[in-house]
Amino acid sequence: QQQVKQSPQSLIVQKGGISIINCAYENTAFDYFPWYQQFPGKGPALLIAIRPDVSEKKEGRFTISFNKSAKQFSLHIMDSQPGDSATYFCAASKNQAGTALIFGKGTTLSVSS
Amino acid sequence: GAVVSQHPSRVICKSGTSVKIECRSLDFQATTMFWYRQFPKQSLMLMATSNEGSKATYEQGVEKDKFLINHASLTLSTLTVTSAHPEDSSFYICSARDPQANIQYFGAGTRLSVL
Repeated sequence: QQQVKQSPQSLIVQKGGISIINCAYENTAFDYFPWYQQFPGKGPALLIAIRPDVSEKKEGRFTISFNKSAKQFSLHIMDSQPGDSATYFCAASKNQAGTALIFGKGTTLSVSS
Repeated sequence: GAVVSQHPSRVICKSGTSVKIECRSLDFQATTMFWYRQFPKQSLMLMATSNEGSKATYEQGVEKDKFLINHASLTLSTLTVTSAHPEDSSFYICSARDPQANIQYFGAGTRLSVL
């Protein structure tokens, strides 16, 4: 049973465009939703995270939108740049010490110049 | 700079040998660390949760005698792949949760190639 579903699997966006990646979760006990960026051969790096008490969080060009009733959250990358080309993973977990993150399958983003 | 250090970054070994991977939290004490495995173009799959001073908790399907985990201090967890075989070749990534910031940080990963 896949607890965190991520789409699309791959995405091609023109430079300057908006990249949108969506995730849906099943476990209503999840209350921490981070997004990670991973470049080839590197470990994932935290981009931005949200908790269910807010519906949106923005940091620079990155925004998370969160819909608790629909159990969905999405990442928006504004003004996408070639340097944003990477694999993006959404994740979810309970906000407790010792609780592992459950990852989506990832989205490979290519930003064309 | 990195807050979770993983070493080595790459290792090539012969079939049948054992390989140890270290994961250190640099800026905080981590009572819990996590070990993930990632195949090419796939997501991170949780292998085990490493608990300081106690036994690790392994995910279903992960052989605990194959993947030995030791979490001897609040800043160090090690994963030993025993009697490695080519099918163990993968990218292994550790992570640690900063309890104060409540953020999970990842190491840079270890590329294991078993010949």
